[in-house]
Amino acid sequence: AQTVTQSQPEMSVQEAETVTLSCTYDTSESDYYLFWYKQPPSRQMILVIRQEAYKQQNATENRFSVNFQKAAKSFSLKISDSQLGDAAMYFCAYYSGANSKLTFGKGITLSVRP
Amino acid sequence: NAGVTQTPKFRVLKTGQSMTLLCAQDMNHEYMYWYRQDPGMGLRLIHYSVGEGTTAKGEVPDGYNVSRLKKQNFLLGLESAAPSQTSVYFCASSYRGLAGGPDTQYFGPGTRLTVL
Repeated sequence: AQTVTQSQPEMSVQEAETVTLSCTYDTSESDYYLFWYKQPPSRQMILVIRQEAYKQQNATENRFSVNFQKAAKSFSLKISDSQLGDAAMYFCAYYSGANSKLTFGKGITLSVRP
Repeated sequence: NAGVTQTPKFRVLKTGQSMTLLCAQDMNHEYMYWYRQDPGMGLRLIHYSVGEGTTAKGEVPDGYNVSRLKKQNFLLGLESAAPSQTSVYFCASSYRGLAGGPDTQYFGPGTRLTVL
């Protein structure tokens, strides 16, 4: 079974600074996808970014980018120019191409200091 | 286009009572999922469906049943609620992506269930 580990329960960043959220996963599969989801206090789950395992290029979405290290099974999220609205819980997730399941990490709470 | 909706948004049950949570999506998605979210545990998959009339067990299926009689609806049932089922429940749906890969999962707003 796949596992997703987010070892840091909380992080804090100064507004306008950059922060990196770490995530590692364990799998023996070759066909998989990785995601970062954001959950603000409203509880709504919002997709931040996705990465296909077969792509070597790191995904980027505006201020959000990932550092995908396939051999190390690491998938970190970098948030540049942090904004107050980025404060939320962030979940790393692994999607198995073999069984169509999405496995989530336990999440990290990000606070942004004004 | 309402996306993914969940009914009800809040519910309080007594131990042993039964209830059904309804998830509906209007995006013609093939895949639908039920998760529960508990503090410090992230989201855990309960059951899921890859098409109308099909369901499969996820990570924590015990105590729950599901049905997908119509493509747009996915029902989660608790036959005899227990305090351990107090949680926030999320439904999600997605297309089956190109070449079998996943498209984005769209989540509903969640249902907060308390079992006394």
